[in-house]
Amino acid sequence: DGGITQSPKYLFRKEGQNVTLSCEQNLNHDAMYWYRQDPGQGLRLIYYSQIVNDFQKGDIAEGYSVSREKKESFPLTVTSAQKNPTAFYLCASSPGPTAYEQYFGPGTRLTVT
Amino acid sequence: AQTVTQSQPEMSVQEAETVTLSCTYDTSENNYYLFWYKQPPSRQMILVIRQEAYKQQNATENRFSVNFQKAAKSFSLKISDSQLGDTAMYFCAFMNNNAGNMLTFGGGTRLMVKP
Repeated sequence: DGGITQSPKYLFRKEGQNVTLSCEQNLNHDAMYWYRQDPGQGLRLIYYSQIVNDFQKGDIAEGYSVSREKKESFPLTVTSAQKNPTAFYLCASSPGPTAYEQYFGPGTRLTVT
Repeated sequence: AQTVTQSQPEMSVQEAETVTLSCTYDTSENNYYLFWYKQPPSRQMILVIRQEAYKQQNATENRFSVNFQKAAKSFSLKISDSQLGDTAMYFCAFMNNNAGNMLTFGGGTRLMVKP
């Protein structure tokens, strides 16, 4: 089946550790996105990538890093510099610049203690 | 920068009734897209409906329709014949198609459909 997968569904880390969240899509989409959602709030854009080997910062990129070495993969690293990393993280993809719907993965709930 | 405001944090409706969720946005752009996304308890984001700003006709998808007022920068969602499965968070979102197709989301409205 085609779709977007994020693993794991729940992730726990100790404060001060970097952690990488996985996002994979087999939809052959060019663009991929990472959003953060805090309780009772909307989504905020962290990073996005429109083509392989290229990505741009979103509204809240500080403390995060990404890579786009393959079209189907867009991993997000939450670094120890991120002050409040506990949140729900959603990955999305879109066919490309002329298509406007974004399709979302199931999300990863990250808890840092 | 664009902003999206949903002024109703929570709403409830009886099953089979109609409910309208409000959304306003602020932009200086002329070409853009507006979306309503549904997030059920599973937290999966599901696209409900899309509206292109250049289209005057309001978008409709089965029981879901929008009232798009471009001059007023308003984009409300009407759900007809509400069903228990419509219980979810609903997010209004704005996309400027000149800015990398990034979505800007409102804060959401929690809708409860009561039997």
